[in-house]
Amino acid sequence: GDSVTQMEGPVTLSEEAFLTINCTYTATGYPSLFWYVQYPGEGLQLLLKATKADDKGSNKGFEATYRKETTSFHLEKGSVQVSDSAVYFCALSDPGGSNYKLTFGKGTLLTVNP
Amino acid sequence: EPEVTQTPSHQVTQMGQEVILRCVPISNHLYFYWYRQILGQKVEFLVSFYNNEISEKSEIFDDQFSVERPDGSNFTLKIRSTKLEDSAMYFCASHRLASRDTQYFGPGTRLTVL
Repeated sequence: GDSVTQMEGPVTLSEEAFLTINCTYTATGYPSLFWYVQYPGEGLQLLLKATKADDKGSNKGFEATYRKETTSFHLEKGSVQVSDSAVYFCALSDPGGSNYKLTFGKGTLLTVNP
Repeated sequence: EPEVTQTPSHQVTQMGQEVILRCVPISNHLYFYWYRQILGQKVEFLVSFYNNEISEKSEIFDDQFSVERPDGSNFTLKIRSTKLEDSAMYFCASHRLASRDTQYFGPGTRLTVL
């Protein structure tokens, strides 16, 4: 079945540091890929997405590129802020059949210190 | 911007009691989902719903669970006889079209079973 493997946390960085959170996937079809973010005490918010190979999703300074050859969708940000502290989930949606459920990774807790 | 809403935000119940979690998806969305997140763990798919019927359900979604769209706006998850291990955050999600459309999540209902 489909699965998502993402970098185990927690990740602790200083403000303005570079962030990478690795994500790889296994899917039977040609999935769409997503990063969701969960701020403390809140629900899931879509951060960015990519729907085909070599697409780059970007939002709020975060980027991720859909790499079909390495089945990866790593999240990067050049300069993190304290407000980026949250849990980040990589997810895929494999559009086989009539169901578009999301399969999530385990999440990576990011803490950014001032 | 339209939002998915969920009520209540927190539900406390005794083991063996029935609970109904309510969601109001975005009005022109056609695909509906329930996910759950046990504290500190990944988000897991429970069930998907389209065209007034379940399109897929996970192994977690046993006979104790049911979903309903009673009036064309609400989407409910019922747990018939709650167990301690049902304690989790339950998220409702919806999206408009098939395939690569983004799912929008509600803020979640925290269910605590005592």
